[in-house]
Amino acid sequence: DGGITQSPKYLFRKEGQNVTLSCEQNLNHDAMYWYRQDPGQGLRLIYYSQIVNDFQKGDIAEGYSVSREKKESFPLTVTSAQKNPTAFYLCASSREGDNLLDEQFFGPGTRLTVL
Amino acid sequence: GENVEQHPSTLSVQEGDSAVIKCTYSDSASNYFPWYKQELGKGPQLIIDIRSNVGEKKDQRIAVTLNKTAKHFSLHITETQPEDSAVYFCAALGGGADGLTFGKGTHLIIQP
Repeated sequence: DGGITQSPKYLFRKEGQNVTLSCEQNLNHDAMYWYRQDPGQGLRLIYYSQIVNDFQKGDIAEGYSVSREKKESFPLTVTSAQKNPTAFYLCASSREGDNLLDEQFFGPGTRLTVL
Repeated sequence: GENVEQHPSTLSVQEGDSAVIKCTYSDSASNYFPWYKQELGKGPQLIIDIRSNVGEKKDQRIAVTLNKTAKHFSLHITETQPEDSAVYFCAALGGGADGLTFGKGTHLIIQP
């Protein structure tokens, strides 16, 4: 059963703590993306990776970090430097890293709440 | 960079009627325009997309039109059904290397 999985579905964090969100895909896709979604807002790109061991900042990368050590995995760390981390986080992947016209497939999302 | 405006933010239509959602974009080099449907608590799913070399694309009850001169594109849903209720997002792929820029979404409500 191919697809993108994100875990956990709900995550609670105390202010000042770092937290890592998981994203795994078994679609053999080269490119992976992290978006943030706030109520009444569109999706905003945090980071993306077109190929293993490479990634680029998106529009709102401050306070976040990523790694791409394996093709199927693209974890996102929300650091204590992120001033307003409470949001719905979406991971996506697409087949070809150098072809941004490829359809992006989204995971089910992780809702992060900072207490 | 690219800027995408989407209207309306909320749209309520009677079941069986048509729904139209409109988006404008700023980057004349944009060449790919997907539409996503997001149900509550789930990730967005692609429902239709259009590339800049065509003006219209249709898939059963869903169609998208693109006017490159005016820099706007629209989603048309005909014969709406209750399962069409969701939030719909338009997006545009600009000429830079930053990926898709999304609109803020339209909450479509189908009234029985």
